[in-house]
Formats: sequence, C-alpha cells, structure tokens
Amino acid sequence: AAGVIQSPRHLIKEKRETATLKCYPIPRHDTVYWYQQGPGQDPQFLISFYEKMQSDKGSIPDRFSAQQFSDYHSELNMSSLELGDSALYFCASSAPTGLYEQYFGPGTRLTVT
Amino acid sequence: AQTVTQSQPEMSVQEAETVTLSCTYDTSESDYYLFWYKQPPSRQMILVIRQEAYKQQNATENRFSVNFQKAAKSFSLKISDSQLGDAAMYFCAYRTFNNDMRFGAGTRLTVKP
Repeated sequence: AAGVIQSPRHLIKEKRETATLKCYPIPRHDTVYWYQQGPGQDPQFLISFYEKMQSDKGSIPDRFSAQQFSDYHSELNMSSLELGDSALYFCASSAPTGLYEQYFGPGTRLTVT
Repeated sequence: AQTVTQSQPEMSVQEAETVTLSCTYDTSESDYYLFWYKQPPSRQMILVIRQEAYKQQNATENRFSVNFQKAAKSFSLKISDSQLGDAAMYFCAYRTFNNDMRFGAGTRLTVKP
C-alpha cells in the first residue's frame, strides 16, 4: 500500500539559511499534519491543513510557513534557520472518513550547522 | 489543553513474555481517540493500535491489546508473546475529532532474548 512520502530524507543547512520540506500524503487523504521531533523528544505538532486550508496551528515558529497545494501535497518552508531547528520533521496524513488515525511518513532529518 | 503522561521511561521484557506499558491522559472532552505508535531505531512512526473513546470494548490487534479505562483516563498497552522486533520507543497519543495529536514522552521497550 502507498505510504506518505517525504523529501528530502536528509538535509544539511547552515544557520540563517532556508529549507523547504515536501510531503506527499497517501492517495485520497485530504489532511496533512507536520510534526517536529527533537532528539529524545516526543513529536510536537506544528501545523495542519485540511482541503488546502490551514486547519490547526501548534508550536510553529513565525520563521516557518506551510501550505497545501491542489494535489494535496504540502510544503514546510523554514527560514532563518537556527541550530535548535535541527530535528526530525514528520509529515502525517489522514483520510476524510474513518477513525482519523494519522499515518506518518519516514521523516526528514534536518541538521543545521 | 490535553496532556498525555507515560510514567515509564524504560521497560524491559523477556522474549515470549508479556509486558504492559502505561499511559494516562487529561482531558475535558467526551469524544476523542487514543493511539499507540511504535518508533523503532529507523525512527519511522508506526501505528500499533487505536481506540475510540465512545467504545467500551478494548481494542485488540494480534499480540497487542489495550486496557482502556475512560473514567480513570487510562490507556495501557499490553504486548503478549513479545518478540525481538517489538523493541522500540512506544508513544501513547491522544486526539480529538478534528485536532492534532498529542503525544506522551514515550517508553523505550527493550526485549531480551
């Protein structure tokens, strides 16, 4: 079965640079969620989109922005990167019906040097 | 705000034996969903089991079962016939109908051969 796809899988950036992470949800899933997992931490919710509109917002810094496109893929844009942004970034998707469980992608490991 | 507490940072079990991981949560909602996710060393987040709060019957998925006590706001995971592949970080998670997922701090499970 198709899963959530994230690209790139690994990304190394320098401080003050920008980064764009991409997420392709499971086909027919209309909701996308972004999470940030720091070393030894549990995943922290950043932002979510339902039908291309922002549906919920968590602890996302103002330096980050995201959007969902007409094909339901989503991009997380991160600017003025800081060392503390180094983390594993997960994208998850959920279906329009059912139990609303979220299926996670493999994550993008961002390292800021 | 909803909070999820996993009071066992680490647990250990002998192969083929049974282990129970604890989870409690705090909420004022009456309708919500609970999940257990597994995160092996690959860091992939894998859905293990789900429970709808309105269902009294405890969910079961093969060797995995839950003990859901709504009044006590408790949601423990029982792993029977533990296998070496069960070794991972286990996260308990809570979400309401249309909201993001809140995770506990995780329990690291070690399976001894």
